[in-house]
Amino acid sequence: AQSVTQPDIHITVSEGASLELRCNYSYGATPYLFWYVQSPGQGLQLLLKYFSGDTLVQGIKGFEAEFKRSQSSFNLRKPSVHWSDAAEYFCAVLSGYSTLTFGKGTMLLVSP
Amino acid sequence: EAGVTQFPSHSVIEKGQTVTLRCDPISGHDNLYWYRRVMGKEIKFLLHFVKESKQDESGMPNNRFLAERTGGTYSTLKVQPAELEDSGVYFCASSRLPDSPLHFGNGTRLTVT
Repeated sequence: AQSVTQPDIHITVSEGASLELRCNYSYGATPYLFWYVQSPGQGLQLLLKYFSGDTLVQGIKGFEAEFKRSQSSFNLRKPSVHWSDAAEYFCAVLSGYSTLTFGKGTMLLVSP
Repeated sequence: EAGVTQFPSHSVIEKGQTVTLRCDPISGHDNLYWYRRVMGKEIKFLLHFVKESKQDESGMPNNRFLAERTGGTYSTLKVQPAELEDSGVYFCASSRLPDSPLHFGNGTRLTVT
């Protein structure tokens, strides 16, 4: 069965510092991978997705993610975090016909 | 375009009562999904409509949950009777095509006491 693991429940980063959120997946075929963000009181917003091609994917808000098949990973990165990036981040894999399997999420806290 | 709208944003009910959640997808989106996040757990798929038909309802937890999408527009998710373990955030999402990115609503936070 497909699964997604986000090993970090909480991460605190200083404003202006770099960020990397980890995501590992378990999927038999070539995965379609996603990162979503949920800000307080908001719905889930798609940051970026990987279907095929270039393994380094650029998304919105300055985020990027790198697909590494050998490590079954799809880590999310941002070179300089802003206070407005504080939110919960979800990694997901497309499973079945069109459904998503999510990780448990990583809560990002940004300190001044 | 207007986003996916969910109503109510919060609902607090007692065990044994009935609650109906509503989702209005983005206009023209034939695909509508329900997901749920129980406290501390992953966001889990419940079911998928294509227009008014249930394409996949493999994630529905039990027969206390009934989802409908009459006319292929808005959808409702009824929980009857509600149990304590039904508490969580219920998300609705829609997409134009099955492989299009999902647009999520803000969710309905359900608390069963």
